Amino acid sequence: DSGVTQTPKHLITATGQRVTLRCSPRSGDLSVYWYQQSLDQGLQFLIQYYNGEERAKGNILERFSAQQFPDLHSELNLSSLELGDSALYFCASSDSRDLAYNEQFFGPGTRLTVL
Amino acid sequence: DQQVKQNSPSLSVQEGRISILNCDYTNSMFDYFLWYKKYPAEGPTFLISISSIKDKNEDGRFTVFLNKSAKHLSLHIVPSQPGDSAVYFCAANPGDDKIIFGKGTRLHILP
Repeated sequence: DSGVTQTPKHLITATGQRVTLRCSPRSGDLSVYWYQQSLDQGLQFLIQYYNGEERAKGNILERFSAQQFPDLHSELNLSSLELGDSALYFCASSDSRDLAYNEQFFGPGTRLTVL
Repeated sequence: DQQVKQNSPSLSVQEGRISILNCDYTNSMFDYFLWYKKYPAEGPTFLISISSIKDKNEDGRFTVFLNKSAKHLSLHIVPSQPGDSAVYFCAANPGDDKIIFGKGTRLHILP
Protein backbone atom coordinates (compact mmCIF):
# COMPACT_ATOMS: atom_id res chain seq x y z
CA ASP A 1 0.00 0.00 0.00
CA SER A 2 1.61 3.22 -1.20
CA GLY A 3 -0.54 5.47 0.97
CA VAL A 4 -1.97 7.22 -2.09
CA THR A 5 -5.69 6.70 -2.58
CA GLN A 6 -7.72 7.23 -5.72
CA THR A 7 -11.47 7.17 -6.20
CA PRO A 8 -13.37 5.80 -7.93
CA LYS A 9 -11.62 2.59 -9.01
CA HIS A 10 -13.74 2.27 -12.10
CA LEU A 11 -15.80 4.75 -14.04
CA ILE A 12 -17.96 4.10 -17.07
CA THR A 13 -19.48 7.01 -18.89
CA ALA A 14 -20.60 8.18 -22.30
CA THR A 15 -18.99 10.41 -24.88
CA GLY A 16 -19.51 14.09 -24.27
CA GLN A 17 -19.81 13.69 -20.51
CA ARG A 18 -17.66 15.12 -17.75
CA VAL A 19 -16.07 13.20 -14.88
CA THR A 20 -13.96 14.00 -11.84
CA LEU A 21 -11.22 11.75 -10.53
CA ARG A 22 -10.02 12.19 -7.00
CA CYS A 23 -6.64 11.60 -5.38
CA SER A 24 -5.44 11.81 -1.80
CA PRO A 25 -1.66 11.91 -1.50
CA ARG A 26 0.45 10.23 1.16
CA SER A 27 0.35 11.98 4.48
CA GLY A 28 2.79 14.88 4.36
CA ASP A 29 3.36 14.83 0.60
CA LEU A 30 2.85 18.22 -0.99
CA SER A 31 3.26 17.23 -4.63
CA VAL A 32 0.61 15.44 -6.66
CA TYR A 33 1.13 14.20 -10.20
CA TRP A 34 -1.41 12.90 -12.68
CA TYR A 35 -0.63 10.36 -15.38
CA GLN A 36 -2.62 8.72 -18.15
CA GLN A 37 -1.93 5.19 -19.34
CA SER A 38 -3.76 4.31 -22.52
CA LEU A 39 -3.80 0.84 -24.06
CA ASP A 40 -0.28 -0.19 -25.10
CA GLN A 41 1.10 3.14 -24.01
CA GLY A 42 3.46 4.07 -21.28
CA LEU A 43 2.52 6.44 -18.53
CA GLN A 44 2.02 9.91 -19.94
CA PHE A 45 2.60 12.74 -17.53
CA LEU A 46 -0.31 15.16 -17.44
CA ILE A 47 0.22 17.70 -14.70
CA GLN A 48 1.82 18.35 -11.31
CA TYR A 49 0.61 20.40 -8.38
CA TYR A 50 2.72 21.43 -5.44
CA ASN A 51 1.07 22.76 -2.29
CA GLY A 52 -1.95 23.98 -4.20
CA GLU A 53 -0.13 25.56 -7.13
CA GLU A 54 0.36 24.18 -10.62
CA ARG A 55 4.04 23.27 -10.90
CA ALA A 56 4.54 21.48 -14.21
CA LYS A 57 2.46 20.61 -17.22
CA GLY A 58 2.83 17.71 -19.60
CA ASN A 59 0.65 16.44 -22.41
CA ILE A 60 -2.63 17.52 -20.87
CA LEU A 61 -5.50 18.28 -23.21
CA GLU A 62 -7.39 21.55 -22.89
CA ARG A 63 -10.52 19.51 -22.09
CA PHE A 64 -8.75 18.29 -18.95
CA SER A 65 -8.06 20.34 -15.86
CA ALA A 66 -6.87 19.70 -12.35
CA GLN A 67 -6.62 21.38 -9.02
CA GLN A 68 -5.17 20.75 -5.60
CA PHE A 69 -7.13 21.78 -2.56
CA PRO A 70 -5.91 23.19 0.78
CA ASP A 71 -6.10 19.73 2.34
CA LEU A 72 -3.74 18.63 -0.50
CA HIS A 73 -6.13 16.24 -2.19
CA SER A 74 -6.36 16.72 -5.92
CA GLU A 75 -9.03 16.32 -8.55
CA LEU A 76 -8.63 15.73 -12.28
CA ASN A 77 -11.57 16.92 -14.33
CA LEU A 78 -12.14 15.44 -17.76
CA SER A 79 -14.79 17.02 -19.95
CA SER A 80 -16.31 16.50 -23.40
CA LEU A 81 -15.12 12.95 -23.14
CA GLU A 82 -14.12 11.04 -26.25
CA LEU A 83 -13.64 7.32 -26.82
CA GLY A 84 -9.89 7.88 -26.88
CA ASP A 85 -9.94 9.16 -23.31
CA SER A 86 -10.57 5.62 -22.08
CA ALA A 87 -7.49 4.83 -20.03
CA LEU A 88 -6.04 4.22 -16.61
CA TYR A 89 -5.44 7.44 -14.75
CA PHE A 90 -2.83 7.34 -12.02
CA CYS A 91 -2.11 9.82 -9.33
CA ALA A 92 1.28 9.92 -7.63
CA SER A 93 2.65 11.95 -4.77
CA SER A 94 6.03 12.93 -3.43
CA ASP A 95 7.33 14.99 -0.57
CA SER A 96 9.36 17.23 -2.83
CA ARG A 97 8.57 20.13 -5.11
CA ASP A 98 11.11 18.92 -7.66
CA LEU A 99 10.73 15.60 -9.33
CA ALA A 100 14.40 15.15 -10.08
CA TYR A 101 15.95 12.44 -7.90
CA ASN A 102 12.82 12.12 -5.80
CA GLU A 103 10.67 9.07 -5.61
CA GLN A 104 7.01 9.17 -6.47
CA PHE A 105 4.41 6.96 -4.84
CA PHE A 106 1.57 5.87 -7.07
CA GLY A 107 -2.06 5.22 -6.28
CA PRO A 108 -3.88 2.17 -7.66
CA GLY A 109 -5.41 4.14 -10.52
CA THR A 110 -8.88 4.89 -11.85
CA ARG A 111 -9.97 2.99 -14.93
CA LEU A 112 -12.09 5.21 -17.12
CA THR A 113 -14.19 3.67 -19.88
CA VAL A 114 -15.92 6.00 -22.32
CA LEU A 115 -18.67 4.32 -24.36
CA ASP B 1 8.17 10.31 -30.76
CA GLN B 2 9.16 7.94 -27.98
CA GLN B 3 12.09 9.25 -25.98
CA VAL B 4 12.23 6.16 -23.77
CA LYS B 5 11.84 2.87 -25.59
CA GLN B 6 11.30 -0.60 -24.26
CA ASN B 7 11.36 -2.66 -27.41
CA SER B 8 10.34 -5.96 -25.85
CA PRO B 9 6.64 -5.95 -24.91
CA SER B 10 7.09 -9.22 -23.06
CA LEU B 11 9.74 -11.58 -21.76
CA SER B 12 9.55 -15.09 -20.30
CA VAL B 13 12.27 -16.39 -18.01
CA GLN B 14 12.66 -19.62 -16.07
CA GLU B 15 12.51 -19.30 -12.30
CA GLY B 16 16.01 -19.09 -10.85
CA ARG B 17 17.56 -17.74 -14.05
CA ILE B 18 18.54 -14.16 -14.85
CA SER B 19 15.97 -11.73 -16.22
CA ILE B 20 17.34 -8.89 -18.34
CA LEU B 21 15.04 -6.04 -19.27
CA ASN B 22 16.30 -3.45 -21.72
CA CYS B 23 15.59 0.20 -22.27
CA ASP B 24 16.89 2.73 -24.79
CA TYR B 25 16.62 6.47 -24.67
CA THR B 26 17.19 9.17 -27.24
CA ASN B 27 18.18 12.26 -25.27
CA SER B 28 21.74 12.39 -23.98
CA MET B 29 20.65 15.13 -21.54
CA PHE B 30 18.68 12.65 -19.46
CA ASP B 31 20.53 12.42 -16.17
CA TYR B 32 18.50 10.12 -13.94
CA PHE B 33 16.83 6.84 -14.70
CA LEU B 34 14.34 4.76 -12.80
CA TRP B 35 12.68 1.38 -12.99
CA TYR B 36 9.16 0.86 -11.76
CA LYS B 37 7.34 -2.41 -11.29
CA LYS B 38 3.60 -2.78 -11.72
CA TYR B 39 1.29 -5.58 -10.70
CA PRO B 40 -2.24 -5.84 -12.12
CA ALA B 41 -4.78 -3.56 -10.43
CA GLU B 42 -2.02 -1.68 -8.61
CA GLY B 43 -0.08 1.47 -9.31
CA PRO B 44 3.59 1.33 -10.28
CA THR B 45 6.08 1.01 -7.44
CA PHE B 46 9.61 2.31 -7.50
CA LEU B 47 12.22 -0.41 -7.84
CA ILE B 48 15.67 1.05 -8.44
CA SER B 49 17.30 4.12 -9.93
CA ILE B 50 20.62 5.25 -11.34
CA SER B 51 22.21 8.60 -11.85
CA SER B 52 24.06 9.34 -15.06
CA ILE B 53 27.31 9.73 -13.13
CA LYS B 54 27.23 6.01 -12.39
CA ASP B 55 27.23 2.97 -14.64
CA LYS B 56 25.86 0.46 -12.16
CA ASN B 57 23.57 0.41 -9.16
CA GLU B 58 22.73 -2.68 -7.19
CA ASP B 59 19.98 -3.41 -4.69
CA GLY B 60 19.68 -7.01 -3.62
CA ARG B 61 18.63 -9.13 -6.58
CA PHE B 62 18.20 -6.05 -8.78
CA THR B 63 21.00 -4.35 -10.67
CA VAL B 64 20.66 -1.54 -13.17
CA PHE B 65 23.40 -0.93 -15.72
CA LEU B 66 23.76 2.31 -17.64
CA ASN B 67 25.68 2.64 -20.90
CA LYS B 68 25.65 6.35 -21.68
CA SER B 69 27.48 6.10 -24.98
CA ALA B 70 24.86 3.65 -26.25
CA LYS B 71 22.01 5.47 -24.50
CA HIS B 72 20.97 2.14 -23.08
CA LEU B 73 20.11 0.81 -19.68
CA SER B 74 19.21 -2.61 -18.48
CA LEU B 75 17.69 -4.14 -15.38
CA HIS B 76 19.03 -7.48 -14.24
CA ILE B 77 17.09 -9.64 -11.80
CA VAL B 78 19.04 -12.54 -10.34
CA PRO B 79 17.71 -15.04 -9.46
CA SER B 80 14.26 -14.53 -10.91
CA GLN B 81 11.37 -15.44 -8.63
CA PRO B 82 7.66 -16.00 -9.31
CA GLY B 83 6.80 -12.73 -7.54
CA ASP B 84 8.86 -10.87 -10.12
CA SER B 85 6.16 -11.50 -12.73
CA ALA B 86 4.92 -7.99 -13.44
CA VAL B 87 5.18 -5.13 -15.91
CA TYR B 88 8.42 -3.20 -15.66
CA PHE B 89 8.60 0.43 -16.73
CA CYS B 90 11.80 2.20 -17.53
CA ALA B 91 11.70 5.95 -16.92
CA ALA B 92 14.00 8.90 -17.42
CA ASN B 93 14.16 12.27 -15.75
CA PRO B 94 15.74 15.00 -17.84
CA GLY B 95 16.46 17.08 -14.78
CA ASP B 96 13.25 19.04 -14.82
CA ASP B 97 9.87 18.30 -13.39
CA LYS B 98 8.84 15.49 -15.67
CA ILE B 99 9.46 11.81 -15.83
CA ILE B 100 9.23 10.13 -19.21
CA PHE B 101 8.13 6.52 -19.12
CA GLY B 102 8.58 3.71 -21.60
CA LYS B 103 5.66 1.50 -22.61
CA GLY B 104 6.71 -1.29 -20.29
CA THR B 105 7.85 -4.89 -20.59
CA ARG B 106 5.71 -7.69 -19.18
CA LEU B 107 7.93 -10.23 -17.43
CA HIS B 108 6.66 -13.79 -16.95
CA ILE B 109 8.61 -16.02 -14.59
CA LEU B 110 8.03 -19.62 -15.53
CA PRO B 111 8.04 -22.36 -12.87
